[in-house]
Amino acid sequence: DAKTTQPPSMDCAEGRAANLPCNHSTISGNEYVYWYRQIHSQGPQYIIHGLKNNETNEMASLIITEDRKSSTLILPHATLRDTAVYYCIVRDPTGTYKYIFGTGTRLKVLA
Amino acid sequence: NAGVTQTPKFQVLKTGQSMTLQCAQDMNHNSMYWYRQDPGMGLRLIYYSASEGTTDKGEVPNGYNVSRLNKREFSLRLESAAPSQTSVYFCASSEIRGREQYFGPGTRLTVT
Repeated sequence: DAKTTQPPSMDCAEGRAANLPCNHSTISGNEYVYWYRQIHSQGPQYIIHGLKNNETNEMASLIITEDRKSSTLILPHATLRDTAVYYCIVRDPTGTYKYIFGTGTRLKVLA
Repeated sequence: NAGVTQTPKFQVLKTGQSMTLQCAQDMNHNSMYWYRQDPGMGLRLIYYSASEGTTDKGEVPNGYNVSRLNKREFSLRLESAAPSQTSVYFCASSEIRGREQYFGPGTRLTVT
């Protein structure tokens, strides 16, 4: 599975959009981009995933660049409850069982 | 739906004691997983079960055993607890292996 690089921390004002970047320059054709988050002391929560098209659900939007070497998770109107560590994971869902959770981005939403 | 449930929420053991962590899911998922998370670190996979009746080792299986009791339940056993096993343990499930995973609330284990 491809490695990912995320900034260690970010701040965002409440009500504004939070844009969390992820670099995955070694991604291969079969690998999807997954995003999870972990709110303090809780189990990780699945947010969204995509292959090459942009995706949107009730929680967030995922923008994947045309060359698929990077992506951005967008929380359109961040709230204090969105303060969490966000993990970007790249993997082939038909491949091994592994999810490699790195150290993620610690997002702090400020009042 | 409760999703993924784990018991107990907290546990303190003495070195050498044994215990079983319980996990159950009500989403009719085929695959289940056990992870551990040490302070300031990401999750590491201990064992997984791709489907009922099968189990496989993950990245850090030493000191642990698992049982896939039925489709709903997947337990993790520490036969002789060691301080190095102090961690937060998360159970997860997915519809099939490889799909997005849904996590339980965790069990916080301290071994003294």
